[in-house]
Amino acid sequence: NAGVTQTPKFQVLKTGQSMTLQCAQDMNHNSMYWYRQDPGMGLRLIYYSASEGTTDKGEVPNGYNVSRLNKREFSLRLESAAPSQTSVYFCASRDIVPDTEAFFGQGTRLTVV
Amino acid sequence: AQSVTQLGSHVSVSEGALVLLRCNYSSSVPPYLFWYVQYPNQGLQLLLKYTTGATLVKGINGFEAEFKKSETSFHLTKPSAHMSDAAEYFCAVSDFDQGAQKLVFGQGTRLTINP
Repeated sequence: NAGVTQTPKFQVLKTGQSMTLQCAQDMNHNSMYWYRQDPGMGLRLIYYSASEGTTDKGEVPNGYNVSRLNKREFSLRLESAAPSQTSVYFCASRDIVPDTEAFFGQGTRLTVV
Repeated sequence: AQSVTQLGSHVSVSEGALVLLRCNYSSSVPPYLFWYVQYPNQGLQLLLKYTTGATLVKGINGFEAEFKKSETSFHLTKPSAHMSDAAEYFCAVSDFDQGAQKLVFGQGTRLTINP
């Protein structure tokens, strides 16, 4: 049972380059999320998708776009990377019921130089 | 919207000592609360959660947490620390906002275990 799979695990970009982070879950969850983790700031929500076909901004959406390709897949795109986007990115999925836990991928460590 | 505050970004204890990680939340409705652990270079893993019922919740690896509504707290404890407990710990609250369920996280507490 794979759970939540993120690719790639590591990436180095030059300022201005673009890239897409991929995420897929095999638990038939309705909701999917993208977080970024920075030292001392916990996890901050970038974008989320409550269900297939819907996406909404989270706390820190600037510089990012997302696509909910189908129920399984939720991708995060950086159109023009900036050094401030150097971070660890986590994808998560969760059932729609509020007392259920979120399941996380292993993370993508992104460095923008 | 709900929020979570974790007191202490770093906590250091000796092996065998009590572990106490503090978490306070703000919520206008009965909260659903979670503790997650993150080992180095890994994703987050659920330790335990409080939904309804018993206020003392037991989790994996000997951890437990007590929900105290009067103090708006959900502190995480373990009677005797082990070296393998060294990790970062996150408290989170379930928030229903703009028609969607989200998890709002605290800032995290890095736990160091001294031999």
